[in-house]
Amino acid sequence: DTEVTQTPKHLVMGMTNKKSLKCEQHMGHRAMYWYKQKAKKPPELMFVYSYEKLSINESVPSRFSPECPNSSLLNLHLHALQPEDSALYLCASRLRTSGMSDTQYFGPGTRLTVL
Amino acid sequence: GENVEQHPSTLSVQEGDSAVIKCTYSDSASNYFPWYKQELGKRPQLIIDIRSNVGEKKDQRIAVTLNKTAKHFSLHITETQPEDSAVYFCAASQGGSYGNKLVFGAGTILRVKS
Repeated sequence: DTEVTQTPKHLVMGMTNKKSLKCEQHMGHRAMYWYKQKAKKPPELMFVYSYEKLSINESVPSRFSPECPNSSLLNLHLHALQPEDSALYLCASRLRTSGMSDTQYFGPGTRLTVL
Repeated sequence: GENVEQHPSTLSVQEGDSAVIKCTYSDSASNYFPWYKQELGKRPQLIIDIRSNVGEKKDQRIAVTLNKTAKHFSLHITETQPEDSAVYFCAASQGGSYGNKLVFGAGTILRVKS
């Protein structure tokens, strides 16, 4: 398996809802990432997990809560979001967590709409 | 921290012509420079990358050049085709940094007219 998968593809939620996004990879990658992408803008880093531990939080509001239950799975729990949080949420993974840089592979993303 | 500037923001070319997109970076410690192509509604996909110990890399119609002294790198697409139409993002990162952050340029919308 040479792919990062994400579910769901689309999600519509109200501001009081709680929902979760899921990301999976079976490439043995040990670094996993969450990005937020607005239309026609570059991906914006939110969180980095290295060996299942949170290593970078780019000052993301607490209404976004990441979780890495195991080396293949990454979740993003959503609660009390705002309409401006509507975006494409991308997951990515990378083989190594440090040392020589190598490719980050992106998942297809979850298109989130907050009403 | 690292800052990446990308130009132009939009680029229209005739099918068969060449396209060049340029990026500059600020942190001399950056040593890995990937280029991603993103079609509408799809994921960013790596098309080519270059490390700082190399000045140029080519893959069929796509090439990337790196000038470490001037801190800029460029994407060259030759014989453009309509399917090359997409948004292209350059990025820079420092190997060895914990978590390996990619810092992206603002993106270039490439339109190839047939």
